[in-house]
Amino acid sequence: GEDVEQSLFLSVREGDSSVINCTYTDSSSTYLYWYKQEPGAGLQLLTYIFSNMDMKQDQRLTVLLNKKDKHLSLRIADTQTGDSAIYFCAVLIYNQGGKLIFGQGTELSVKP
Amino acid sequence: KAGVTQTPRYLIKTRGQQVTLSCSPISGHRSVSWYQQTPGQGLQFLFEYFSETQRNKGNFPGRFSGRQFSNSRSEMNVSTLELGDSALYLCASSLGGTGGPSEQYFGPGTRLTVT
Repeated sequence: GEDVEQSLFLSVREGDSSVINCTYTDSSSTYLYWYKQEPGAGLQLLTYIFSNMDMKQDQRLTVLLNKKDKHLSLRIADTQTGDSAIYFCAVLIYNQGGKLIFGQGTELSVKP
Repeated sequence: KAGVTQTPRYLIKTRGQQVTLSCSPISGHRSVSWYQQTPGQGLQFLFEYFSETQRNKGNFPGRFSGRQFSNSRSEMNVSTLELGDSALYLCASSLGGTGGPSEQYFGPGTRLTVT
């Protein structure tokens, strides 16, 4: 079945880079997303990558996709305290309609 | 452009009651999906609607149902509420269509508490 795995916690110092990793099982995934969730809030779409791409950069965010290993990563450059949140990796399974399969979320803690 | 809106934001219900949640997608988006978020199970797909038709369904009991209106607004209904239905219910909006997948944007969610 479809499964998405993430490590649960990451702690970094302000100004450092953060790298959040994700692995998935379904090779038919079309879009792969990163969402951010702050306490009491919904999911904010941060960035996404098509399955036919290897890398995407968007300001401080860099997404890397290794299709062979089914591994996705999100790098946040110059991490700030405002980046503290839970980050979800999600893969879109599309067959006449789409559904997202989410990882458990990685709680990022940024220390000043 | 306005984002995805969900109403109400908070609800408290008693076991056995039923509840209806509403979602208005981004203007021009025709696909609406619903997800349940709980601490134990994480984020799970409930169903997806496009052009008033359910296109996809997750593994939830029949107590969970939904519908979509001609203006793309969607409602989700849960009947005979159980304590385990307490969760954050999130709605996602996307363009949909037969052209293939597209970005999915989420609303702020409805926090349902069942007592």
